[in-house]
Amino acid sequence: GAGVSQTPSNKVTEKGKYVELRCDPISGHTALYWYRQSLGQGPEFLIYFQGTGAADDSGLPNDRFFAVRPEGSVSTLKIQRTERGDSAVYLCASSPYVTGGTEAFFGQGTRLTVV
Amino acid sequence: LAKTTQPISMDSYEGQEVNITCSHNNIATNDYITWYQQFPSQGPRFIIQGYKTKVTNEVASLFIPADRKSSTLSLPRVSLSDTAVYYCLVGPGNTGKLIFGQGTTLQVKP
Repeated sequence: GAGVSQTPSNKVTEKGKYVELRCDPISGHTALYWYRQSLGQGPEFLIYFQGTGAADDSGLPNDRFFAVRPEGSVSTLKIQRTERGDSAVYLCASSPYVTGGTEAFFGQGTRLTVV
Repeated sequence: LAKTTQPISMDSYEGQEVNITCSHNNIATNDYITWYQQFPSQGPRFIIQGYKTKVTNEVASLFIPADRKSSTLSLPRVSLSDTAVYYCLVGPGNTGKLIFGQGTTLQVKP
């Protein structure tokens, strides 16, 4: 595909359940980012990968959140024991390099609703 | 990472030029200034980026004064479709960590 793809586009889950959100970055992009956006707020940084490794995971709110990118392309954001406060749009972005200026390409997001 | 301050909202009319100013008093030597646009139910979209002076592309211009403590995004002759939230970001490109503020909601009226 031409852009960043996120699946599913919508996810409704019950409180306490486990969810996985998937991100397919633009082919060849080495950097990948996850953000969370609540209504009326700007995107909140969660984690970013350079290749397979998490270069900065300082935005993950707690140990219920975990993300992987095992082969340096597709990434999965995993949320354990979901809480109603986790409800938000989860955005993924990728960029071709992480030097100089950074132009990140965002997906459409996954809207997570915890009921 | 440098904090940014920008107006919460702005109104304009079709055909006008819109200037959105962002303050970033603590910008570091290796920081870039980047602007993104976001429509409802979509991810942010890169508009323009600069380090100093003026940058222009097919969508917008970015003016950065010599002290780099502020920047102004200029949108020429806006249309209704430019109604969106505009984010100013400041940070070193080599961290990959883009920090978004609350953004400026631009409402373009007919």
